[in-house]
Amino acid sequence: AQSVTQPDIHITVSEGASLELRCNYSYGATPYLFWYVQSPGQGLQLLLKYFSGDTLVQGIKGFEAEFKRSQSSFNLRKPSVHWSDAAEYFCAVGARGGGNKLTFGTGTQLKVEL
Amino acid sequence: DADVTQTPRNRITKTGKRIMLECSQTKGHDRMYWYRQDPGLGLRLIYYSFDVKDINKGEISDGYSVSRQAQAKFSLSLESAIPNQTALYFCATSDVPSGAGELFFGEGSRLTVL
Repeated sequence: AQSVTQPDIHITVSEGASLELRCNYSYGATPYLFWYVQSPGQGLQLLLKYFSGDTLVQGIKGFEAEFKRSQSSFNLRKPSVHWSDAAEYFCAVGARGGGNKLTFGTGTQLKVEL
Repeated sequence: DADVTQTPRNRITKTGKRIMLECSQTKGHDRMYWYRQDPGLGLRLIYYSFDVKDINKGEISDGYSVSRQAQAKFSLSLESAIPNQTALYFCATSDVPSGAGELFFGEGSRLTVL
């Protein structure tokens, strides 16, 4: 069975600083990988996804993530954080042929200090 | 109007009561999902449906049932609510069978069972 670990429950960064949110997955083959963001009182919105090919994927709002097979990781990065990025971030893994039944991590709550 | 609409958005009920959470979508997607979100646990899949005649249990289906009334409507029921079913519930849709597609989420239904 697939699983996802997000080791950081809370992260605080200053506005303008760089950001990296960690995600490790467990899956027997190359998975589908996703990052979603949840703003307060809202549903989840897709930031980016990895299926195959280039291991560095670009997403919306200036986010990017890098798939590293050797480390079973899919970390999310942003070079300069904006106050509006404060939200909860979820990494998710899906099995190929799995019908979009995603397994989500426990989330990382991002706080941005002005 | 939102593409994925959940009603009610907030509900407080008592132990033993029957509760129905409704989801409707205008995206024309065949696949619909119900997830539950608990603090520190992320999102967990309750039930999913690939079309009107195809309904499947997720990882935490005990105590829940669903009904797919039409392609656009997918309801989640708690036959006899209990306090540990207090959570934020999300409906989601997708249109890609391979597992590579994006999930589109509603804004959530917050349920409190007293």
